Amino acid sequence: EAGVTQFPSHSVIEKGQTVTLRCDPISGHDNLYWYRRVMGKEIKFLLHFVKESKQDESGMPNNRFLAERTGGTYSTLKVQPAELEDSGVYFCASSQGQGANSPLHFGNGTRLTVT
Amino acid sequence: AQSVAQPEDQVNVAEGNPLTVKCTYSVSGNPYLFWYVQYPNRGLQFLLKYITGDNLVKGSYGFEAEFNKSQTSFHLKKPSALVSDSALYFCAVRDGGYQKVTFGTGTKLQVIP
Repeated sequence: EAGVTQFPSHSVIEKGQTVTLRCDPISGHDNLYWYRRVMGKEIKFLLHFVKESKQDESGMPNNRFLAERTGGTYSTLKVQPAELEDSGVYFCASSQGQGANSPLHFGNGTRLTVT
Repeated sequence: AQSVAQPEDQVNVAEGNPLTVKCTYSVSGNPYLFWYVQYPNRGLQFLLKYITGDNLVKGSYGFEAEFNKSQTSFHLKKPSALVSDSALYFCAVRDGGYQKVTFGTGTKLQVIP
């Protein structure tokens, strides 16, 4: 089966610009998660979709971040306007179920650099 | 709130020697514990998990981890390290009552030939 795919792999933008990250989960996985790792720190949870609904968005840093999952398939994460502190690696993960027996499958991440 | 601590930023070990990567956790309910590995320019790969049962769990690539409830630890181990094991290792926990997985800061494992 195809894994979780993320696009782009790298993005370099200027402060104030807009960037949209895309994640295609494994087919059939209802659960989709966004995580971020900033400056070598811990991988921080951003939000969790179950199909097209936001189950938990407690990790979204502020209203400059907007995540969508129309149709319950792929998801986008938009940052507008980008700030320097948004630089980091954004990971997407998906899982079939929500129980502990459903491990997360991660994409390769999008490395975002805001200059 | 749940949390994970990985006290070592980097662990160096000689090839063929046993390795240990440390992890301690804090949860209010029952812990579900995971280890993930990240190779350069790749996403995180699932290694192993502890849900319930035997305290020693075995996972991919010869890795195992020992759950210690009294010490709230879940250290990753391997009897004989390979150079190819060099990577970034993340410990993670989920409180049984919540879906969000919390990760540690990661430990870079360097296996020296």
